[in-house]
Amino acid sequence: AQSVTQLGSHVSVSEGALVLLRCNYSSSVPPYLFWYVQYPNQGLQLLLKYTSAATLVKGINGFEAEFKKSETSFHLTKPSAHMSDAAEYFCAISRYSSASKIIFGSGTRLSIRP
Amino acid sequence: GAVVSQHPSWVICKSGTSVKIECRSLDFQATTMFWYRQFPKQSLMLMATSNEGSKATYEQGVEKDKFLINHASLTLSTLTVTSAHPEDSSFYICSARHRDRGRLNSGANVLTFGAGSRLTVL
Repeated sequence: AQSVTQLGSHVSVSEGALVLLRCNYSSSVPPYLFWYVQYPNQGLQLLLKYTSAATLVKGINGFEAEFKKSETSFHLTKPSAHMSDAAEYFCAISRYSSASKIIFGSGTRLSIRP
Repeated sequence: GAVVSQHPSWVICKSGTSVKIECRSLDFQATTMFWYRQFPKQSLMLMATSNEGSKATYEQGVEKDKFLINHASLTLSTLTVTSAHPEDSSFYICSARHRDRGRLNSGANVLTFGAGSRLTVL
């Protein structure tokens, strides 16, 4: 079975500071990994995805994530937080293909302090 | 870019009634759609996989007679919550699978999510 664990249900950073959202995965096969963002009362938007190509994945809005097999991690980072980054972030995993059934983590709410 | 539309975005119904939620892919065809539900401040839980022209595949613990899924065309999947009860109140989100031609533009299969439908059962 596959699963993802997001460490920290709530992260708060100052505007301009580094954003680090943690995600660890468990999978018996090479996984496909994703980060999604959800704004209040909206659906999900894909930030980036790992599909076994480059281990450092760059996404939209300045976010990137690094796949580390030895640590079974796929942490999301952004060098400088912006107020508009405040949202719920979900790490997710799937197997077989990049758009098969996706299993989501519990989510991390990111708050940005002025 | 690919757009998935859900309707209604917000619905309130009385206990015992049935509610239908539509999920449409507006500018692409989707042979596969997924339905999720999300409780407040929680993650998305996959309910079922909807395949055009065939029966939906339900996740363990999801009542197929309670949550009827129909995928009659390549652009429309519907979720009907039958005999709704207050515990069915939730945020229901659909997603559709297609080739990535968006900002990531990888050409791989990706999922585009609808904006969600909030169901409140009184």
